[in-house]
Amino acid sequence: NAGVTQTPKFQVLKTGQSMTLQCAQDMNHNSMYWYRQDPGMGLRLIYYSASEGTTDKGEVPNGYNVSRLNKREFSLRLESAAPSQTSVYFCASSQRLAPGSSYEQYFGPGTRLTVT
Amino acid sequence: EDQVTQSPEALRLQEGESSSLNCSYTVSGLRGLFWYRQDPGKGPEFLFTLYSAGEEKEKERLKATLTKKESFLHITAPKPEDSATYLCACSNQAGTALIFGKGTTLSVSS
Repeated sequence: NAGVTQTPKFQVLKTGQSMTLQCAQDMNHNSMYWYRQDPGMGLRLIYYSASEGTTDKGEVPNGYNVSRLNKREFSLRLESAAPSQTSVYFCASSQRLAPGSSYEQYFGPGTRLTVT
Repeated sequence: EDQVTQSPEALRLQEGESSSLNCSYTVSGLRGLFWYRQDPGKGPEFLFTLYSAGEEKEKERLKATLTKKESFLHITAPKPEDSATYLCACSNQAGTALIFGKGTTLSVSS
């Protein structure tokens, strides 16, 4: 099993350009997540999808959109990139996300994005 | 507001010198506390889940413990390959997300 895969690994954008980060998991997990990691800030949740067909905002959703394409795939789109979106982006998945339950999340290798 | 704080920010050890990393939390209705290891340029790697006070988990040289206010990651006789950033995260009662601490960067020299 590959676990959680992300593409691309690296990307450089100019301000105003758009792009989509792709994520796929092969663990038959129901829930998927997008985080960003910045120095001194830790991991912060951008959006999550508790199950196929649902998406919800996390802590820092502004400037991003997501699509849960199917059970395996969850994409993150930057419509008009800004320098403040320079970061490392991680996708994660877990068995199930529901009130009263708690399951560990498994992370992908990350996408390093620079916006100039 | 739910919060997870890790200390120290950085820790330097000699090979074989045991120590502990701390994760203190204020989370409404803790549903689970998770420890991850992150190597430079890679994604976090899951280590342990702890669910209730008094619970302990072990893996090789690592042992995680949980009280009602904090968790400790004990590293016994560390080796240079244990060098990494260790992240602590909590799941609250709503269960909608993990709240991460900023991590402790461990360096073990031979």
